[in-house]
Amino acid sequence: GNSVTQMEGPVTLSEEAFLTINCTYTATGYPSLFWYVQYPGEGLQLLLKATKADDKGSNKGFEATYRKETTSFHLEKGSVQVSDSAVYFCALSSYSSASKIIFGSGTRLSIRP
Amino acid sequence: DSGVTQTPKHLITATGQRVTLRCSPRSGDLSVYWYQQSLDQGLQFLIQYYNGEERAKGNILERFSAQQFPDLHSELNLSSLELGDSALYFCASSVDGETGKNYGYTFGSGTRLTVV
Repeated sequence: GNSVTQMEGPVTLSEEAFLTINCTYTATGYPSLFWYVQYPGEGLQLLLKATKADDKGSNKGFEATYRKETTSFHLEKGSVQVSDSAVYFCALSSYSSASKIIFGSGTRLSIRP
Repeated sequence: DSGVTQTPKHLITATGQRVTLRCSPRSGDLSVYWYQQSLDQGLQFLIQYYNGEERAKGNILERFSAQQFPDLHSELNLSSLELGDSALYFCASSVDGETGKNYGYTFGSGTRLTVV
C-alpha cells in the first residue's frame, strides 16, 4: 500500500543553518506530494506541494523537488529562523488511496536563537 | 483563520462516556475528512464525507461514527470512551475529493480530547 517515511526528529538547529528533512514514499502511479506544517497549538497548514515528477514546490523560503527516480520529496530551507520551529509532515495522495491524504509521522524542528 | 471551524477546542471526559465533535467546513467545500492525531501514531485517517455521503473509511473504530448534514457541517461521535482515545481530532475540508487529492486540504485547529 501507499506510505510515507520521513526522518525522525527532533531536529535542532541554530538560526540561519541549512535545513533538510528527508521524505521518501511508496505509491503506485503518480501521487501528488505535500509538505504540511503544524505550529504549536494549531492545525496543519499546507506549506507546499508538487503534483508531477521534477516539479519543485516552494513557499516561505522552503523548497522540495518531486524525484520519481528516488521516490523522494525532501524539504529544504537555506537559512532557518526561530519562527520555523514546528512539526513538519510529508504527505501523499494517489488514485489508489481514494481521495484521502496519507501522512508521514512528522518531524519536530526546533531552532535555537 | 483557515475557514474550517472545530468545536469544542478542548474536551475532558470520563471513560465510558460519549462525546460529539463538530466541524464546519470552509465555505464552498463539499468534502470533510476526520483525522486522529496521537503522540505515538501520528495522523490517522478516520473517515471522509462528500456532500452528505460517506466516501472513504480508514482506521475508524466501531465505537466511532460520523455524519455530514445537509448544511455540510459534520459531527464525529465517539462512544464508550477509553483512555487510549485521548488525542487531537482534526477535521479538514476540500472542494471535492479530487481537488483535495491534488491540491491538499484545509485543516481546522482541532479538538483536544482527554479521557480520564
